[in-house]
Amino acid sequence: NAGVTQTPKFQVLKTGQSMTLQCAQDMNHNSMYWYRQDPGMGLRLIYYSASEGTTDKGEVPNGYNVSRLNKREFSLRLESAAPSQTSVYFCASSEQGVSYEQYFGPGTRLTVT
Amino acid sequence: DQQVKQNSPSLSVQEGRISILNCDYTNSMFDYFLWYKKYPAEGPTFLISISSIKDKNEDGRFTVFLNKSAKHLSLHIVPSQPGDSAVYFCAASENNAGNMLTFGGGTRLMVKP
Repeated sequence: NAGVTQTPKFQVLKTGQSMTLQCAQDMNHNSMYWYRQDPGMGLRLIYYSASEGTTDKGEVPNGYNVSRLNKREFSLRLESAAPSQTSVYFCASSEQGVSYEQYFGPGTRLTVT
Repeated sequence: DQQVKQNSPSLSVQEGRISILNCDYTNSMFDYFLWYKKYPAEGPTFLISISSIKDKNEDGRFTVFLNKSAKHLSLHIVPSQPGDSAVYFCAASENNAGNMLTFGGGTRLMVKP
């Protein structure tokens, strides 16, 4: 059981470039999430997918798009990267329902120059 | 404006003593609270949770206390161990908001041998 996997681990982009962060989970969870972590800000929800076929905006969705490719995979796309998107990105998954813990991947450290 | 705040960015404690991490929230609709622990270069992992119908939940060395009238929760670790050194995030959720979590900014705990 790999849990939640993310690729890549590190990425450096120039302003205006695009990229997709990949996330996959093997726990058969219905819900998946993308967060960003910035110093002193904790984790902020970018987008989430409560179940396969649905996606919803979180707290900070601007500049991002997501695709729930299937039950296992949830990708995050930056169409035109900006320095403000320099952050550590975490994907997570869980069963549906607030009492279920979220399982996090190891993160992707993204730098936009 | 942050709805979940951890006002102490860091805390240093001697091994064997009690660690107390605090968290305040402003949204009275929050009714489920969680603590996550994060080591460097890893994703957060779930530690303990509490529902708003309780004021205390205990799991081994970890106890979470909830004071709804003060909109305050705390995590007690007794006794503290060097392996507890990590960043601790509190998070909160509204029952009718699906699995969406709002995180605090985190507190870095250092347990000295």
